[in-house]
Formats: sequence, C-alpha cells, structure tokens
Amino acid sequence: DAKTTQPPSMDCAEGRAANLPCNHSTISGNEYVYWYRQIHSQGPQYIIHGLKNNETNEMASLIITEDRKSSTLILPHATLRDTAVYYCIGYYSSASKIIFGSGTRLSIRP
Amino acid sequence: EAQVTQNPRYLITVTGKKLTVTCSQNMNHEYMSWYRQDPGLGLRQIYYSMNVEVTDKGDVPEGYKVSRKEKRNFPLILESPSPNQTSLYFCASSSIAMGTHEKLFFGSGTQLSVL
Repeated sequence: DAKTTQPPSMDCAEGRAANLPCNHSTISGNEYVYWYRQIHSQGPQYIIHGLKNNETNEMASLIITEDRKSSTLILPHATLRDTAVYYCIGYYSSASKIIFGSGTRLSIRP
Repeated sequence: EAQVTQNPRYLITVTGKKLTVTCSQNMNHEYMSWYRQDPGLGLRQIYYSMNVEVTDKGDVPEGYKVSRKEKRNFPLILESPSPNQTSLYFCASSSIAMGTHEKLFFGSGTQLSVL
C-alpha cells in the first residue's frame, strides 16, 4: 500500500471550500486513492476515490495531480457537520491489507 | 438497508475472560476486516478475510483470533483479554467481485475496556 502524508489538522470557515491535501509520492500505477472520513468515534465513511482522473460526487471532488504523487479533496461548501478526521489512503483494486494513517482533523468555524 | 452490524457497542470485561465481538454484513461482501483504533495511532488492521475460510493477519494480530465460516459473519475472538487490548474496534467489509475493491463499509464500533 502507498504511504500517504497528510497535515494533522486544518480549519475552514463555514460555507467556504475546504481543500484537504494528501501526498502519496510512492503510489504505484494501479493503486487507487481513497478518501474516508470519521466523525467523532463513528465508523469511517467512504467519500470518494480515483485512479488518474479527477472525480466528483455528491459529497466532494477529488483532484489528482498528473504525476499522481498528490491529491486534494475538496468539500465545496463546508458545514459544521463536515467536522471530522479525513483519511487519504492508497491501495490496489485487489488489496488485502488496507492501511489507514493518522488523517487530517478538519475543524469548521461558524 | 446495506449495513455492517457489530455487537456489542460497549463491553467491559476483566483480564483473562474470553470474549467475542460479532460482525455481520448483509451485502454479500467477500472482504471483511477488523481494525482497532487507539488515540494517536489511527486505525490499525488486526485481521482480514478475502472470502469464506480465508483469513490472514493484519498489522496487529497478537492476542486475537477470527473465523470466517459464513460469508456474512466475521467474529473477533479475544481468548484471554489483557488491558492493552482496551480500544475502539471496527469491523469493515467490501466487495471484491471481479478482483476490484469497492469502498469499505464500516460498523458503528465496539468500545472495549479490559480491567
């Protein structure tokens, strides 16, 4: 699995876009980049994933650099309910071990 | 409703008393996994299973056992719990049909305290 590096914490004003970076310089060609978030002590929740192209769904957008060494998760209009720990992880489509790092604790300011 | 169900939600026990945390999923997923979460250490994988009767160790398997006799169930067994196994535990599952990992679905967690 690719080792990922994320800032330990970030904050964002409510209503603004939250941009969460992730470095994954060791990611291999067929490893996907996945984003999950964990609100308080609940089970982590899937947000989005991608391989090469940028992706968008109802929750967020994922921007992956052309060299695939980093990505950014964008929450377009952050709300207080987006306060959570966000995990960026990389793994193969057929992976068995899926390793989570420490993530980024995102705080949303009213 | 698609879900991963863990029981119990909270458990307090004493050192050495065998316990089982159950995990069940209703999505016919092949892949199931157990994680523990401790402050400052993130989520660490204990065991995983790629399908029925196929299990393997994750990063922190010591002191734990699992079994996968049916596709839907993946219980976590602590034969002789110790205080250092006090933690928040999560079960997860995903489909790997056609060799492609789908997203992980997580249970609500089990907070275990070993006295």
